[in-house]
Amino acid sequence: QKEVEQNSGPLSVPEGAIASLNCTYSDRGSQSFFWYRQYSGKSPELIMSIYSNGDKEDGRFTAQLNKASQYVSLLIRDSQPSDSATYLCAVNDDYKLSFGAGTTVTVRA
Amino acid sequence: DTGVSQNPRHKITKRGQNVTFRCDPISEHNRLYWYRQTLGQGPEFLTYFQNEAQLEKSRLLSDRFSAERPKGSFSTLEIQRTEQGDSAMYLCASSLAGDYEQYFGPGTRLTVT
Repeated sequence: QKEVEQNSGPLSVPEGAIASLNCTYSDRGSQSFFWYRQYSGKSPELIMSIYSNGDKEDGRFTAQLNKASQYVSLLIRDSQPSDSATYLCAVNDDYKLSFGAGTTVTVRA
Repeated sequence: DTGVSQNPRHKITKRGQNVTFRCDPISEHNRLYWYRQTLGQGPEFLTYFQNEAQLEKSRLLSDRFSAERPKGSFSTLEIQRTEQGDSAMYLCASSLAGDYEQYFGPGTRLTVT
């Protein structure tokens, strides 16, 4: 499987702040990138997909992709306590996904 | 629109026993994937199907593991002669053919004692 690296955290941010999560991947040929949110004891939930260089915004989430640097990031604006979770970065490997180990985010009130 | 469902949600078994899990994908999705996740790690690919054809199996999938999708709808994952190292969350996901976005079911948590 392709290598996907994430900072494990935990990342602690105050409520209302921006949380910034980073992910790097090994295969320059990767084309599709995903962010999943996983609450403790639950399964991953797809929150963002990005396929082209640049930014993609969806509500309070922004995904950023730089294929030349093999880097994808997720910004969470106006962080809420409900955003406290583990965020998994995933990259396509043909039709399967390769995942990083996840970054745990804690939003403190 | 119902999502991916998995049964059972929890399974406790003794070492050496066989277990079988079921996954029902989103109805129009013809690709179905199995992953395994252990604590502190991301999901790890096991195998996937397009319709009833099993197209890829991970090298990590020992011969104690077998998966089927007989009519291209639901899938089963069987683990024979379970070992304590098989304890994990087993996740099923589905997608449309040609679409990379995968949607996960709630998972089956297996504990081997």
